[in-house]
Amino acid sequence: AQKVTQAQTEISVVEKEDVTLDCVYETRDTTYYLFWYKQPPSGELVFLIRRNSFDEQNEISGRYSWNFQKSTSSFNFTITASQVVDSAVYFCALRTGTASKLTFGTGTRLQVTL
Amino acid sequence: DAGITQSPRHKVTETGTPVTLRCHQTENHRYMYWYRQDPGHGLRLIHYSYGVKDTDKGEVSDGYSVSRSKTEDFLLTLESATSSQTSVYFCAISSGDRNEKLFFGSGTQLSVL
Repeated sequence: AQKVTQAQTEISVVEKEDVTLDCVYETRDTTYYLFWYKQPPSGELVFLIRRNSFDEQNEISGRYSWNFQKSTSSFNFTITASQVVDSAVYFCALRTGTASKLTFGTGTRLQVTL
Repeated sequence: DAGITQSPRHKVTETGTPVTLRCHQTENHRYMYWYRQDPGHGLRLIHYSYGVKDTDKGEVSDGYSVSRSKTEDFLLTLESATSSQTSVYFCAISSGDRNEKLFFGSGTQLSVL
């Protein structure tokens, strides 16, 4: 069985603060893939990143960065210098090597205010 | 943007009536999925398809059926809608290759009264 836990239900920050969204996963497979999606208030789901289990390099894309640690089964997402446009629900998801379907966490709602 | 179209975008229906949601893709991807989104539950998989006429159940498949007679279309049917099926339904597609990503449609807001 596979499981994704996003323990933070809601986070509120003031613009320009850094914020980290936590994601902890469970799987017995040695090959798996981790994803982050963003769901802005308009409702669509936007793909942010895909990471496979063999690649523990952290990734940075502009103000976004991801920290993948197999030792703690975590794939955390940090937004640096947050902006109001970052306000959204963020989902972490897991796909194992033998399956073709994503298992999602329950999401973290991020509210960025001025 | 991936070519995925869901129809209808909004639907209000009564308990006990049948409802069919349609997902249409123009990417020729092998895999198609139906998820539902509910507060506190994230997205949960209802059914998915790995090819024409090849489908399988997800974690919340009770009360739902699917069909895929063509690569581009994946239909989700609620045979007899119940209020617990009020939700936002998302279709997703995936190529299934090594670099696959799931791309999602815009969603269908379904209300069962």
